[in-house]
Amino acid sequence: QKEVEQNSGPLSVPEGAIASLNCTYSDRGSQSFFWYRQYSGKSPELIMSIYSNGDKEDGRFTAQLNKASQYVSLLIRDSQPSDSATYLCAVISGNTPLVFGKGTRLSVIA
Amino acid sequence: DGGITQSPKYLFRKEGQNVTLSCEQNLNHDAMYWYRQDPGQGLRLIYYSQIVNDFQKGDIAEGYSVSREKKESFPLTVTSAQKNPTAFYLCASSSYIGQTVVYGYTFGSGTRLTVV
Repeated sequence: QKEVEQNSGPLSVPEGAIASLNCTYSDRGSQSFFWYRQYSGKSPELIMSIYSNGDKEDGRFTAQLNKASQYVSLLIRDSQPSDSATYLCAVISGNTPLVFGKGTRLSVIA
Repeated sequence: DGGITQSPKYLFRKEGQNVTLSCEQNLNHDAMYWYRQDPGQGLRLIYYSQIVNDFQKGDIAEGYSVSREKKESFPLTVTSAQKNPTAFYLCASSSYIGQTVVYGYTFGSGTRLTVV
């Protein structure tokens, strides 16, 4: 059974701080990694994807991947109250469906 | 606008009743998926289809059925055999490059099903 583990939180950070969200996965053959943001009562929205080791930056978001440690993270710089949501880590191997973690709830305090 | 449309947004089911959730996409994606989300939980895969007229069971397929007669459509039926169907149901689609999903999944807005 392929597993994706996330700390459920809530993770509380003050406005303007860096939020760090972490995810580990069990399948060493995983190839593609995604971060989704889900507001309460809404569907998930893709915010980052990463495929190779290292960092990938997009605006205030940075995804980090370490395949040797089977670890992927998401950093949110200059956190805003509008970033308060649940963040889902998702992992895929080949053409099998995405496997999602249970999500980390982030709360940004103004 | 390209996207995925799920309907209805809210659905109420009586005990012993079958209900069908609609999912339509105009993204020309080959693969479509149904996930279930319970409060405080992640997404659990019910069924998926990578090609028309073919579909595969996911982790929690019992009590559900699907069809894929057209590329654009992937309806989910929640049967009376599903004993705890109250949940948020999400449909998604994706495209492939070779054998790999590269761009992640696009999700519909979801259907919230409640047993009354």
